[in-house]
Amino acid sequence: QKEVEQNSGPLSVPEGAIASLNCTYSDRGSQSFFWYRQYSGKSPELIMFIYSNGDKEDGRFTAQLNKASQYVSLLIRDSQPSDSATYLCAVPFGSGGSNYKLTFGKGTLLTVNP
Amino acid sequence: NAGVTQTPKFQVLKTGQSMTLQCAQDMNHNSMYWYRQDPGMGLRLIYYSASEGTTDKGEVPNGYNVSRLNKREFSLRLESAAPSQTSVYFCASSSNRFPWYFGAGTRLSVL
Repeated sequence: QKEVEQNSGPLSVPEGAIASLNCTYSDRGSQSFFWYRQYSGKSPELIMFIYSNGDKEDGRFTAQLNKASQYVSLLIRDSQPSDSATYLCAVPFGSGGSNYKLTFGKGTLLTVNP
Repeated sequence: NAGVTQTPKFQVLKTGQSMTLQCAQDMNHNSMYWYRQDPGMGLRLIYYSASEGTTDKGEVPNGYNVSRLNKREFSLRLESAAPSQTSVYFCASSSNRFPWYFGAGTRLSVL
């Protein structure tokens, strides 16, 4: 069973700051990485995915991969109170690392203070 | 455009009862998934369907069965509910090989 570890938080940042969320994974062969956001009492929503060939930026969100240290980061620039949520990291598990089967971390609770 | 619709939203069962959770998507997606989410455990894949007519086990399939009725619908059945199946259940769909859009969830309590 592949493992995905996240600091449960809460991570508290002031409005306008950069929030940095980290996720470590156990399988060195993992090729794809996913970030989901989940507001309290709501369903998860996909916000970003990256492959092992590079980092990715989408608006205020940047996903970075450090393959040597086996962790993936999600940076949120100009954090807003509306970014306050739990952020879930996921990587494929099972033989062949199929994207159909994702192992989710337990999530990091982010709080952005006005 | 409703996206992914799950029914019911809430359900209370007694141990040993059976029930079916329904999921339908209107985005013409090939892939559909069932997850459960428990406090402290994160999201865990129960079953998925890569395309109409196919289903495959995920991480925690024991005690569940699924049916991919057609391209739109993917149901999850609990044949004999147990307290350990108390959870929040999410259905998801995608045109890719990973879950993209999630339903609002079904909150199930088994007494």
